Amino acid sequence: GNSVTQMEGPVTLSEEAFLTINCTYTATGYPSLFWYVQYPGEGLQLLLKATKADDKGSNKGFEATYRKETTSFHLEKGSVQVSDSAVYFCALSSNQAGTALIFGKGTTLSVSS
Amino acid sequence: GAVVSQHPSRVICKSGTSVKIECRSLDFQATTMFWYRQFPKKSLMLMATSNEGSKATYEQGVEKDKFLINHASLTLSTLTVTSAHPEDSSFYICSALGPNRGRYETQYFGPGTRLLVL
Repeated sequence: GNSVTQMEGPVTLSEEAFLTINCTYTATGYPSLFWYVQYPGEGLQLLLKATKADDKGSNKGFEATYRKETTSFHLEKGSVQVSDSAVYFCALSSNQAGTALIFGKGTTLSVSS
Repeated sequence: GAVVSQHPSRVICKSGTSVKIECRSLDFQATTMFWYRQFPKKSLMLMATSNEGSKATYEQGVEKDKFLINHASLTLSTLTVTSAHPEDSSFYICSALGPNRGRYETQYFGPGTRLLVL
């Protein structure tokens, strides 16, 4: 079945450091891929998405490219801020109408000043 | 647009009591909603799919008699944890499929409900 694997955390960085959070997936067909962010005490927010191979999703300085050849959707940011501290979830949609997202286990990012 | 709310945001109850959690789509109609459970340092586990006007579809291992789901209107789904026990303490999150249905439909998430059973 479909699944998402993302790197274990926590990831601890200093402000302005480069961030990469790895995400790989297993899926049949042509899934859509997402990154969600969960700030402390809050619900999930969509950060970015990509619906087909080679698409690049971007938002708030974060980027991720849908790589079908490596079945990956790694999240990157060139210069993190303290306010980026949160839990990041990689997720997959099979694109079958009415089906739920499949999530990775989440990666906690902690950025210090 | 496409806002989903949950109520309550936090609830503490005694063991053996029942707790109802509401999930509302505020500015769109949602024929399909999902209920997730999030354990500490774990991902979201899909509990059930809730379709308006029909019975919910539960994931394997989720007790349907313990976690009652009702989706009586196009904007409201409720999750009732019956005879709650401490092991039911968790963060419960709902989501609703947005107004643009089809191949690339979007899920909108509620802010979650923190349940603590004493």
